[in-house]
Amino acid sequence: GIQVEQSPPDLILQEGANSTLRCNFSDSVNNLQWFHQNPWGQLINLFYIPSGTKQNGRLSATTVATERYSLLYISSSQTTDSGVYFCAGYSNAGKSTFGDGTTLTVKP
Amino acid sequence: SAVISQKPSRDICQRGTSLTIQCQVDSQVTMMFWYRQQPGQSLTLIATANQGSEATYESGFVIDKFPISRPNLTFSTLTVSNLSPEDSSIYLCSVAKGTGATTEAFFGQGTRLTVV
Repeated sequence: GIQVEQSPPDLILQEGANSTLRCNFSDSVNNLQWFHQNPWGQLINLFYIPSGTKQNGRLSATTVATERYSLLYISSSQTTDSGVYFCAGYSNAGKSTFGDGTTLTVKP
Repeated sequence: SAVISQKPSRDICQRGTSLTIQCQVDSQVTMMFWYRQQPGQSLTLIATANQGSEATYESGFVIDKFPISRPNLTFSTLTVSNLSPEDSSIYLCSVAKGTGATTEAFFGQGTRLTVV
């Protein structure tokens, strides 16, 4: 089955700092997404990124499918970036397997 | 994309009762799923909701505890039966659009269940 591993499990930053979150996935993963879960529990799609690099404001993501990893970059972090970041890998059947998440705390 | 409306957004239930969660999608989708997120944990897939047939459950989840209906391609319900405090979790409905490497998932806002 699909395996997804995230690191680090926890990250504490000062406001304004940059960070990199990593996601390793098994070779049965066809697609990958990054999500941010806010304090109210809502999952927000950040990136749908089977390969290559995408950017959205201060966030960007890169997936190297041949080496089975993805990176999420957060630049100039803000307190509102706090929360849990999940990556999820997908099989052909559309079912997803979530990593354990990275809990990000940005301090003012 | 897909817009998913999930109801209720939260509920507090007595142990031994049941809660039914509704999931409405703004377009027809083939693939629809239900997930559970226990406190402080990641998301775990409960089952795939199949239109016109019985849901497909993941290991550790059974139909008697989590009956699922899928009457059409835009709607599904998940019932959590015979509630116990261990069922206190966020339950999320999800749909997947596309195929293979183009598959993209969308999630409802979740239902936060507290069992007392």
